[in-house]
Amino acid sequence: EADIYQTPRYLVIGTGKKITLECSQTMGHDKMYWYQQDPGMELHLIHYSYGVNSTEKGDLSSESTVSRIRTEHFPLTLESARPSHTSQYLCASSPFRTAGPQETQYFGPGTRLLVL
Amino acid sequence: AQTVTQSQPEMSVQEAETVTLSCTYDTSESNYYLFWYKQPPSRQMILVIRQEAYKQQNATENRFSVNFQKAAKSFSLKISDSQLGDTAMYFCAFIPQGGSEKLVFGKGTKLTVNP
Repeated sequence: EADIYQTPRYLVIGTGKKITLECSQTMGHDKMYWYQQDPGMELHLIHYSYGVNSTEKGDLSSESTVSRIRTEHFPLTLESARPSHTSQYLCASSPFRTAGPQETQYFGPGTRLLVL
Repeated sequence: AQTVTQSQPEMSVQEAETVTLSCTYDTSESNYYLFWYKQPPSRQMILVIRQEAYKQQNATENRFSVNFQKAAKSFSLKISDSQLGDTAMYFCAFIPQGGSEKLVFGKGTKLTVNP
């Protein structure tokens, strides 16, 4: 399995709280991604990064924000959690800046978020 | 815009039998990569198999193989000798070379292997 980690694995939190979902990888990958996925459903890309100080919004509009200060770390923050944010959040990374033969994304175990 | 379509939301197969999952995609790109990912219940998403579009030979990984038909834009996954551990969601994905550089996923097929 790939060396990509997410914490916490499960989080139950009240409306209005600020939360940060952590993602780190030890593979030295340039590209990192955040996906939102409801159980058993398709994945939606919400943020990605090509490297340090690079962040881009994905295809699905999200109220979350991300930062990339270190290559190995790509945290996602929700300033004020709402029940509509309840979902699973998957972090992924891939080794190259541009798509190539080795373009493969490696996924973390995910964080299941429940906002009450 | 590129799209990936998995027309089978759910499938089931008996243990030890063979099953084929369908995937079609739409693109105007000539160079791209295709993937099948597996997501077991409550477990991590992992890569099953990868295919480069410029390669005519179909990729194989042990019991998993693909039938890549570039002209038809089809990329099906065959699982031979199905095992209980193959029960999972399977996602087909596509990425163009030098294009948007973002994986485009299908909606997934839920496969259940029955004993």
